[in-house]
Amino acid sequence: QKEVEQNSGPLSVPEGAIASLNCTYSDRGSQSFFWYRQYSGKSPELIMFIYSNGDKEDGRFTAQLNKASQYVSLLIRDSQPSDSATYLCAASGGSYIPTFGRGTSLIVHP
Amino acid sequence: GAGVSQSPSNKVTEKGKDVELRCDPISGHTALYWYRQRLGQGLEFLIYFQGNSAPDKSGLPSDRFSAERTGESVSTLTIQRTQQEDSAVYLCASSLAALGRDTQYFGPGTRLTVL
Repeated sequence: QKEVEQNSGPLSVPEGAIASLNCTYSDRGSQSFFWYRQYSGKSPELIMFIYSNGDKEDGRFTAQLNKASQYVSLLIRDSQPSDSATYLCAASGGSYIPTFGRGTSLIVHP
Repeated sequence: GAGVSQSPSNKVTEKGKDVELRCDPISGHTALYWYRQRLGQGLEFLIYFQGNSAPDKSGLPSDRFSAERTGESVSTLTIQRTQQEDSAVYLCASSLAALGRDTQYFGPGTRLTVL
């Protein structure tokens, strides 16, 4: 069974710090990886996607992928209180149906 | 519309009743997904439609659940004889295609409460 594992948290970081969110996946056939942000009571919204090994940067966000270790991470630099949310990791492969993790709760305190 | 829309936003029903949830995907998106999210839990895949192909129903939890989609437009998720464990937020998402790399855009969800 395909699984995506995330630490449920909460991960608490001070404002301005780097938040590091991690995710592992079980299906070696996974090709595409996504990070979604979900505010309480709201629907998920895409933050980043990554397909290739290495780093991908977009503003304050950096996604990192290591297919050999089946590991994906999301770094948020200069964390802001508005970044406080649940971050969902998702992986998809040949089946085109993404598998979502349960999400990591991030709290950025002033 | 600019995004995925869902209706109703909230639905309260009595145990044993049938409910119908609606999803309007982004125009031009051929792939449509339904998910269930229980309180404090992750997304549970239910069913996915890709164009005119047969839907993938592998995630439907029981035969009380069914879904339809007309072409590449509106989809309805029907839950018959609702049970209390069906209480959850039902999310619909659409993507340009189902090629694994396409971003899913989520609707605001329907919060279902079964009394």
